[in-house]
Amino acid sequence: GAGVSQSPSNKVTEKGKDVELRCDPISGHTALYWYRQRLGQGLEFLIYFQGNSAPDKSGLPSDRFSAERTGESVSTLTIQRTQQEDSAVYLCASSLGNRVETEAFFGQGTRLTVV
Amino acid sequence: SQQGEEDPQALSIQEGENATMNCSYKTSINNLQWYRQNSGRGLVHLILIRSNEREKHSGRLRVTLDTSKKSSSLLITASRAADTASYFCVPDTGRRALTFGSGTRLQVQP
Repeated sequence: GAGVSQSPSNKVTEKGKDVELRCDPISGHTALYWYRQRLGQGLEFLIYFQGNSAPDKSGLPSDRFSAERTGESVSTLTIQRTQQEDSAVYLCASSLGNRVETEAFFGQGTRLTVV
Repeated sequence: SQQGEEDPQALSIQEGENATMNCSYKTSINNLQWYRQNSGRGLVHLILIRSNEREKHSGRLRVTLDTSKKSSSLLITASRAADTASYFCVPDTGRRALTFGSGTRLQVQP
């Protein structure tokens, strides 16, 4: 597609349930990022993929959070046993992944509400 | 910390005025990028300035970079109500993932 696509755009889930968020990056982009943004706050870095490997997982807030990427394309962010503090917009971005053209292109995000 | 720190945290101006936002960072960089976010979603890349550049223009945007002071500024000239958004500076060290600060919230009054 022309841009980064995220699905679903909105998700309401009950506390304790697992959720999967999906990101389709721009074709040919090898770098992929996940961020979390709570209401009224800045972006919190979660994880970074270069190809299928994740050289930087430092932002994952707990072991309930995991992410994978297959085929240097689609990525899924999984949150297990969701808590109310997980409510936020989850943003995905991709970039070419070379050292020169590092501009990130963002999707519209998934708004997760845990009730 | 690799992220930039934007100043001021909030800025309110009248339509037609210029808006200046500043950014400071702590590490050596390959480039510095500015992003805009409207209504809490939809981050858009605005402009990238490389470490060997001092000034760059794009439409009504003017970015400066002073690597000796580890600072950058974003100037929006002749502001419009549609420029109302949060603006983030992102220093790219080439060693880690891009990280964002809290941004400057710009309000342009019509």
